Amino acid sequence: DVKVTQSSRYLVKRTGEKVFLECVQDMDHENMFWYRQDPGLGLRLIYFSYDVKMKEKGDIPEGYSVSREKKERFSLILESASTNQTSMYLCASSLALSSGNTIYFGEGSWLTVV
Amino acid sequence: KQEVTQIPAALSVPEGENLVLNCSFTDSAIYNLQWFRQDPGKGLTSLLLIQSSQREQTSGRLNASLDKSSGRSTLYIAASQPGDSATYLCAVKTGANNLFFGTGTRLTVIP
Repeated sequence: DVKVTQSSRYLVKRTGEKVFLECVQDMDHENMFWYRQDPGLGLRLIYFSYDVKMKEKGDIPEGYSVSREKKERFSLILESASTNQTSMYLCASSLALSSGNTIYFGEGSWLTVV
Repeated sequence: KQEVTQIPAALSVPEGENLVLNCSFTDSAIYNLQWFRQDPGKGLTSLLLIQSSQREQTSGRLNASLDKSSGRSTLYIAASQPGDSATYLCAVKTGANNLFFGTGTRLTVIP
């Protein structure tokens, strides 16, 4: 079975702190994604990566950056956390989506910025 | 930009009832549509994927249909059980390497 692992399930950070959210997948997927999920807004794509060292902005990239140095690992970085970044963050991975491959999600990381 | 809508936002049914969840999308130029289940505080699990050339997919008590021309999909759950209680989300794949998600329907099956 595909496994997408988000190492931190619950985090509490202070405003202005730099925050790292880590995600690892074990199925050699080329695509990896970071979404945030907020009540009433659904899932919104922050960044995705289709290969090592490659990244593309999603719908809401402001205030975030990403790093993909190895195929299996995709990190989301909040350079200076703010209270409006309090949310559930979901990592996902897939083979090429246009070929009808499904997308696999991690369990999510709940981030609270105080 | 693709918009995906799921109505109702919440639904309660007694155990054993058959039910239908709805998903509509504004741009019919899609590659596929997926239905997901999300339990409270957890990630999403893929239930069914329908390619744009298909009309429906079935898995156990679940049946998903797709009508691209009208921009609609339904998820039919037969003989509902309390364990089916969760939030169900649909997502469509368009030209970009991205999925557009609805905000989900929260289903409660009452024993």
